[in-house]
Amino acid sequence: TAGITQAPTSQILAAGRSMTLRCTQDMRHNAMYWYRQDLGLGLRLIHYSNTAGTTGKGEVPDGYSVSRANTDDFPLTLASAVPSQTSVYFCASSHSRGLEQFFGPGTRLTVL
Amino acid sequence: AQSVAQPEDQVNVAEGNPLTVKCTYSVSGNPYLFWYVQYPNRGLQFLLKYITGDNLVKGSYGFEAEFNKSQTSFHLKKPSALVSDSALYFCAVRDMDSNYQLIWGAGTKLIIKP
Repeated sequence: TAGITQAPTSQILAAGRSMTLRCTQDMRHNAMYWYRQDLGLGLRLIHYSNTAGTTGKGEVPDGYSVSRANTDDFPLTLASAVPSQTSVYFCASSHSRGLEQFFGPGTRLTVL
Repeated sequence: AQSVAQPEDQVNVAEGNPLTVKCTYSVSGNPYLFWYVQYPNRGLQFLLKYITGDNLVKGSYGFEAEFNKSQTSFHLKKPSALVSDSALYFCAVRDMDSNYQLIWGAGTKLIIKP
């Protein structure tokens, strides 16, 4: 079982460009999450989805959008990247909201 | 406001000695508490959780955690540390005021010296 996969592993992006970070889970979990991890700031929730077809804003949603068209996929889109979005991005899922989350390997994004 | 605190940025332990990584929380209602480990350049891995039942919870890799309601703590412990336990450890608590999302501690770097 793969669990959660994320793509790409890393990316260097020019400021102003758009990009979609992909996340797929094969555990049939209802809830999915996007976090960013920055040194000194810990994990911060960007967006979440409690079930397919619904999404919600986390702590730092500005500049990011998500969609949840089906159970397995939860892409994160940066419409116009800025250098402050340089970070490591983690996707996670849980059977339902409020339970233990399982994390993907992360995407390291650098915006120049 | 609901919160979780990891008061130590770093914990240093000699190999073979017991280790403790501290976590305290503040939530309304009954807490759901979690511990995760992150190795360098990796995603977080779930270690253990407390939802209800016995205050001593056993998890992966020989780790355990003790839920203490009166002290609002959920410290992570291991009787004998291994060098391979060196990693970043995160405590989290479910936030019932924020759509049941998890509130994360800032993380504690655990260094086990040979």
